[in-house]
Amino acid sequence: GAVVSQHPSRVICKSGTSVKIECRSLDFQATTMFWYRQFPKKSLMLMATSNEGSKATYEQGVEKDKFLINHASLTLSTLTVTSAHPEDSSFYICSASPRPGTEAFFGQGTRLTVV
Amino acid sequence: KNEVEQSPQNLTAQEGEFITINCSYSVGISALHWLQQHPGGGIVSLFMLSSGKKKHGRLIATINIQEKHSSLHITASHPRDSAVYICAVNEKLTFGTGTRLTIIP
Repeated sequence: GAVVSQHPSRVICKSGTSVKIECRSLDFQATTMFWYRQFPKKSLMLMATSNEGSKATYEQGVEKDKFLINHASLTLSTLTVTSAHPEDSSFYICSASPRPGTEAFFGQGTRLTVV
Repeated sequence: KNEVEQSPQNLTAQEGEFITINCSYSVGISALHWLQQHPGGGIVSLFMLSSGKKKHGRLIATINIQEKHSSLHITASHPRDSAVYICAVNEKLTFGTGTRLTIIP
């Protein structure tokens, strides 16, 4: 099946710094990618829809200035957690589909710990 | 009330048992996904379906659009099937709360 690669898988950063997470579709082009967040023992929640060449669409309650999304090419979307705070510690995961309405493929996820 | 509900939340069974995980949803859907999340967090897509039934190896997924209900079945369960199984709907995935499955040897 299709492959989506996410990097890094784990990151520990200090409060106040920024962290960039990359999501790449390795063998298909994705005009749309999705970013999710998962708190411990909770279900995944959609944060934003990343659109190639245009602004991301954020879900209600997600701060767009806090979670910067850039989808500069058809195979790469990045999520930058700016001015990280311990409350941002979470598991972040991306997904993409080769075509709209088809099977979703997930990155490996990034476990972010802000100390 | 969540738009996507799963049951049971936790399920422990003996190796070899037939497993059923249920998913009910309250919104209109274009597709329903069954996902498997491993302890490290990685997620694998098992099925995407919009009608009927799909089978892959020991896994079977069914959906009843009229009743807004889907089931995931595992035949001849094995300890390596232990994971969290998640039901999600539509392209912008709305997730169920997941079912933690533990298969005991």
